[in-house]
Amino acid sequence: GQNIDQPTEMTATEGAIVQINCTYQTSGFNGLFWYQQHAGEAPTFLSYNVLDGLEEKGRFSSFLSRSKGYSYLLLKELQMKDSASYLCAVRGPKKPLVFGKGTRLSVIA
Amino acid sequence: GAVVSQHPSWVICKSGTSVKIECRSLDFQATTMFWYRQFPKQSLMLMATSNEGSKATYEQGVEKDKFLINHASLTLSTLTVTSAHPEDSSFYICRGGASSTDTQYFGPGTRLTVL
Repeated sequence: GQNIDQPTEMTATEGAIVQINCTYQTSGFNGLFWYQQHAGEAPTFLSYNVLDGLEEKGRFSSFLSRSKGYSYLLLKELQMKDSASYLCAVRGPKKPLVFGKGTRLSVIA
Repeated sequence: GAVVSQHPSWVICKSGTSVKIECRSLDFQATTMFWYRQFPKQSLMLMATSNEGSKATYEQGVEKDKFLINHASLTLSTLTVTSAHPEDSSFYICRGGASSTDTQYFGPGTRLTVL
């Protein structure tokens, strides 16, 4: 089976840096995704990691360690519009994505 | 990037009626379409996977006779909620996949409210 854990809620200050962690246990691994979801909207794709290391894309970076079953999403220079849920999703071999429950991030002034 | 449209964006219906939700891939051929349901403050739950021209594969606990999925073409998949009840009220989202495409874009979602 597959199990994905991430914190339920986080709060951070505008302009700061926040790291959202995700740990997973899967039978087989074929990539890890991060999505952003604003309330009442569909998720939007942020990043994809299949190899170990850090992928940087503007203010957002995602890290993966396959041996540890661990990933994090790093958000820099936080803006109020970054307040949203961040979903970690893992794809096993020949299986659709399995989503974590999401982390609700609140950015405060 | 790939675009997936979904219609309607919201719908209110009476208990016992059926509702059809359409999901279209606008600039790519979606060989696979995934249907999710999301209750408030909950994660996305995969309901079923449909492949063009074949029967959908339903996740455990999802009634295939209640949630009818049709994927008759490479650009259109439909989900019909039959005999809807208030507990079916939820946010339904489709996600289109083209072979091994990694990004896999979501449709904008359909908010269903059953009175």
